[in-house]
Amino acid sequence: AQSVTQLDSQVPVFEEAPVELRCNYSSSVSVYLFWYVQYPNQGLQLLLKYLSGSTLVESINGFEAEFNKSQTSFHLRKPSVHISDTAEYFCAVSEAGGADGLTFGKGTHLIIQP
Amino acid sequence: DTGVSQDPRHKITKRGQNVTFRCDPISEHNRLYWYRQTLGQGPEFLTYFQNEAQLEKSRLLSDRFSAERPKGSFSTLEIQRTEQGDSAMYLCASSATGGNTEAFFGQGTRLTVV
Repeated sequence: AQSVTQLDSQVPVFEEAPVELRCNYSSSVSVYLFWYVQYPNQGLQLLLKYLSGSTLVESINGFEAEFNKSQTSFHLRKPSVHISDTAEYFCAVSEAGGADGLTFGKGTHLIIQP
Repeated sequence: DTGVSQDPRHKITKRGQNVTFRCDPISEHNRLYWYRQTLGQGPEFLTYFQNEAQLEKSRLLSDRFSAERPKGSFSTLEIQRTEQGDSAMYLCASSATGGNTEAFFGQGTRLTVV
């Protein structure tokens, strides 16, 4: 079984400032890691994922996350946030190569302040 | 729109009534998942189908819950004798088999039990 911890339930950040949303996971097997974003009144959308290979993965809208196996972390970062980044961000894990469902963290609400 | 669709989007029901939700996955996806999301929490896995076979069920899925996926296409989730604790957002997701394990989510059905 896997578990995911998102340490911050809310992160307020000023527009154009950098941000890091923290995610730690626990698993006894190899894992795939995901970040999903949920904009207000919308469904979950995949932001980025780590399956294998390079430990640094990027999204098309400037977010990046780095898989750190020794620290069992997959923190999400963006060097300069925009007001449109306001959303709920969920970190999720699944067993590598498995078909079971995702295990999600509780989410972090990113609040961008003008 | 060829994404995952769920119906209805909202459902208000009286305690003790039965409700049924429908999910239409992306047409070429043979895996289908149901999740439940309560306020302030991340989605929690309920059950998963590969084609028409229900392969995994969470302990969260009590005897009052049943899911089907006849013919491996759309799926239904039924809750019998609803309780106030069943109030939540019910999310459906689908994915393809193979190396790409990205799950695409529908917008969910919000259930309110009064």
